[in-house]
Amino acid sequence: EDQVTQSPEALRLQEGESSSLNCSYTVSGLRGLFWYRQDPGKGPEFLFTLYSAGEEKEKERLKATLTKKESFLHITAPKPEDSATYLCAVQVTGGGNKLTFGTGTQLKVEL
Amino acid sequence: ETGVTQTPRHLVMGMTNKKSLKCEQHLGHNAMYWYKQSAKKPLELMFVYSLEERVENNSVPSRFSPECPNSSHLFLHLHTLQPEDSALYLCASSQGAGGTSPLHFGNGTRLTVT
Repeated sequence: EDQVTQSPEALRLQEGESSSLNCSYTVSGLRGLFWYRQDPGKGPEFLFTLYSAGEEKEKERLKATLTKKESFLHITAPKPEDSATYLCAVQVTGGGNKLTFGTGTQLKVEL
Repeated sequence: ETGVTQTPRHLVMGMTNKKSLKCEQHLGHNAMYWYKQSAKKPLELMFVYSLEERVENNSVPSRFSPECPNSSHLFLHLHTLQPEDSALYLCASSQGAGGTSPLHFGNGTRLTVT
């Protein structure tokens, strides 16, 4: 059975304090790994897709990386507006566009 | 309007009521989805429609009935729900249901069953 585990469950950072969120996965065959951001009262917002081990993608203060077992979302010098829940999801080969999601990491960045 | 729009934003219903959730996408996509999001649980896929044809029904109870009249609109008809059905219901769309194009989500309908 495909599984996605995100850690930590919650993370509090001071503004400017860099850190990483982890997404570990166990799948039969990875087709793509997705990162989403979800603000309270809103739907998930797409951030990145990663397809193969070694791939990296960046957007502003966020950088996503992928290995054969896990993905990291690195947040460099975060700001309060980066506070949100970050969701990881995997798409497996032969699974159509079905995504298996993790439970998310709730990030709070304080001044 | 742009993106994916869901109405209503909030809904409170009794267990004997019948109600419908509506979703409209303005992105020109041809696949639409219903997801359920409960506290402390991963998003659960409920239904997938591709080119207005249901291609996945993820073992969802029959008290949830989807309808996709065209590629821009998706409904979720609800009847005789249970309190454990209280959750955030999210609609999403994508270009194609078999590729790796990302899902674009609406802001959801917060459903409370009393």
